[in-house]
Amino acid sequence: QEQLVESGGGVVQPGRSLRLSCAASGFTFMNYGMHWVRQAPGRGLEWVAVISYDGSKKSHADSVKGRFTISRDDSKSTLFLQMNSLRADDTAVYYCARLRSGYGMDVWGQGTTVTVSS
Amino acid sequence: QPVLTQSSSASASLGSSVKLTCTLSSGHSSYTIAWHQQQPGKAPRYLMKVEGNGSYNKGSGVPDRFSGSSSGADRYLTISNLQLEDEAIYFCETWDNDIWMFGGGTKLTVL
Repeated sequence: QEQLVESGGGVVQPGRSLRLSCAASGFTFMNYGMHWVRQAPGRGLEWVAVISYDGSKKSHADSVKGRFTISRDDSKSTLFLQMNSLRADDTAVYYCARLRSGYGMDVWGQGTTVTVSS
Repeated sequence: QPVLTQSSSASASLGSSVKLTCTLSSGHSSYTIAWHQQQPGKAPRYLMKVEGNGSYNKGSGVPDRFSGSSSGADRYLTISNLQLEDEAIYFCETWDNDIWMFGGGTKLTVL
């Protein structure tokens, strides 16, 4: 069964860093691009970043460009999001999702919560 | 890049049908979208993709009650024989040149 499990969330002060992880199982991780998507409290979904199946292409939303970096380790079937210079408006539940080309985000994790507060 | 517009809320009675709409912005009427369901307190779940020609392809385990269609720039999600567990927020998603975007979501209430 295809599964994504996020970890690494927590409470962090503004300006600090955090790294999120997303462990994949039940499918061949190296064959798929992957996304990070976030949802602020009471708000809709906001796309954060995407990485291609081989890691050669990355794209980040303007709201996080220059502060967040998506990466992957296929040997561990794990996706990462390095978040630097965190701000209060980065407070959200962060989801990883699998990219199925032409189909959208077809598998979602359960999410990990990031709270940026002093 | 495209913008997706959804009504903020909808309601329908238990056992009836409802049709939710996601509208693509001008110049993007041919784009494929995906529908996702988010039940209260849960992660989103992929339902289906809907193409500009009206064809749709559902995700694994999505009940037959769910279907998709299209007309011009509008992409639809129809839920038949509404159940209480269908009460959720429904988001549409699309993509363009390595940028992804979501509609604001429609909160469906089952009466």
